[in-house]
Amino acid sequence: KQEVTQIPAALSVPEGENLVLNCSFTDSAIYNLQWFRQDPGKGLTSLLLIQSSQREQTSGRLNASLDKSSGRSTLYIAASQPGDSATYLCAVVGQGGKLTFGQGTILTVHP
Amino acid sequence: EAEVAQSPRYKITEKSQAVAFWCDPISGHATLYWYRQILGQGPELLVQFQDESVVDDSQLPKDRFSAERLKGVDSTLKIQPAELGDSAMYLCASRTRGLAGVTQYFGPGTRLTVL
Repeated sequence: KQEVTQIPAALSVPEGENLVLNCSFTDSAIYNLQWFRQDPGKGLTSLLLIQSSQREQTSGRLNASLDKSSGRSTLYIAASQPGDSATYLCAVVGQGGKLTFGQGTILTVHP
Repeated sequence: EAEVAQSPRYKITEKSQAVAFWCDPISGHATLYWYRQILGQGPELLVQFQDESVVDDSQLPKDRFSAERLKGVDSTLKIQPAELGDSAMYLCASRTRGLAGVTQYFGPGTRLTVL
């Protein structure tokens, strides 16, 4: 059974800092890995999707990397802003498109 | 931009009552998912539909939960009777037919509180 773990569970940083969120998974047989953002009481917004054959994806200030063989992914956020405050969820896509999520990292960026 | 619609957004009910949630996926999306997210945790898959057929309901508590997608478009998730432990966010997602690796699009969710 696939298990996804995210570290740290919570992170508080001052505005402007660069930060890294970590995700690990136990079964390397994945189609892809996705990072989502969730604002309090809201649904999920897809940030980045990395195919299993790719090493990284970039979108604006976000960069996600994937090391499938070691079962790890990182989400790098450059020059953090208060508007980045949210829960960040990592999910791996397995057979049939089933998403298995980590428990999330709660990010707080204070001015 | 097309979105996944869910209703109601919030539902408060008493233990042992019946509740139902509705989801309308993005037009043309053949695959539909229902997830449950307990506060502080990641979403967990309850049921997956391909058109009107259930593909995976291995994590659905079938003694009290049911899901249907009769015409392969919108879907309803029902809980009867509701229990205190069912308090959670219920999320619906959809994706296009084909490769399992395409992005799933999520609706805003229904927040259920069972008293």
